This record gives sequence, structure tokens and C-alpha cells, in this order.
Amino acid sequence: TQLLEQSPQFLSIQEGENLTVYCNSSSVFSSLQWYRQEPGEGPVLLVTVVTGGEVKKLKRLTFQFGDARKDSSLHITAAQPGDTGLYLCAGGSNSGYALNFGKGTSLLVTP
Amino acid sequence: DAGVIQSPRHEVTEMGQEVTLRCKPISGHNSLFWYRQTMMRGLELLIYFNNNVPIDDSGMPEDRFSAKMPNASFSTLKIQPSEPRDSAVYFCASRLGASGNNEQFFGPGTRLTVL
Repeated sequence: TQLLEQSPQFLSIQEGENLTVYCNSSSVFSSLQWYRQEPGEGPVLLVTVVTGGEVKKLKRLTFQFGDARKDSSLHITAAQPGDTGLYLCAGGSNSGYALNFGKGTSLLVTP
Repeated sequence: DAGVIQSPRHEVTEMGQEVTLRCKPISGHNSLFWYRQTMMRGLELLIYFNNNVPIDDSGMPEDRFSAKMPNASFSTLKIQPSEPRDSAVYFCASRLGASGNNEQFFGPGTRLTVL
């Protein structure tokens, strides 16, 4: 099993602050997916990155895939209460069929 | 379009009872996954089906757990007998295609409490 370590485990910030969460592994992945999960719901895909060094932006969210395709980061600018949730990273493989999920970063943004 | 449908949304049962969780994947998706989520262990893959065939059940905890997919639009996860340590949220997810890089669509989950 290819392990994905996410940090921090918990993060509580105020509205308007910036934050970065990390997803690290010793394994190489062909893709890295970020999901957000809100209480009482299933995870929902935010983005997929597939190329080493790739940067994708989704409004105030910036995702980066490490050059070696072993790690990724998610940066949120000017966080809003609606960003509250559990952020999960998941590594994909061309030869595999299933995703390996990290345990997630639980983010709380207070007004 | 309806997403992945799971039932029941909540289940409370007593230790030793049989529990059956149900999932209807998105129409046209040919991959189906069952996951279990707890605070301690995060999201764990239990079993994966492709074209209704179980491909990998190495995540199934023990013989008390079984899963079936009799057709492309229905799957069940059964726990018999249930134990308190089985308490968790169980998610079903479906995906179009077999590539590990493709998006998985998750259902809302079934919150299972075994007393």
C-alpha cells in the first residue's frame, strides 16, 4: 500500500487568512486528486493533477503537484467559512485501479 | 442526473445482528468501490468491482464482511454478525472506466452504529 501523509491534521483559522495543506508520500503517483468532504456527505473531487510540477487554480484554491510526483499542496487564499471541510488527497496509478487516500486535513474557517 | 445512491443513510443495530448496506452507482459507470471511514483510520478501501466482478477484496476486514454486485446498477455490503468495532460511515463510490486516474463519485454514505 502506498501511504499518503497529510498535514496538518487539523487547522482552525479565521476568515480572510491564507493557508496551505500538504500531502506527502515516498511513492510516485501517476496522478494526485484532491477531494473535499463536508459533514454528512461523501467526498467531492476538486481537482486532478497529473504532471510533475503542475499547478492548477480553482478560484481561491491553488493546487501543486511536486516535480517528482510524490507530493502535493493545496493553498487557499482568503479563506471563507464555506471552505470548511475535510480535504483529502488521493494518489492514482496508471497500472492500478484504486486510489490511495490520505487521512485528510480537517479545516475550520470561522467568521 | 442522480448521483450514487446509498441506503439506508443511518443504521443502528445490536451486536450480532446482520446488516445490509445498499448502493446504486451512477448509470454507465463500470467501477464500484466500497469504503469505510473512521476518525482513527480515515477512508479505507474495502472492495473494488469492475464490470460487476470483484477485483480486489483485500481490504475486507474479515469473513464477517461480504459484498456482491449482481448487476451493473446494484451492490450490497453485508456484515454478519455485526460487532461494535464495525461502527463507521460506509461509502459507495462509482467511476467511469478502470483507470486509477479517473474521478470517483461518492454516495452520501451510511452511518452504521453497532451497539
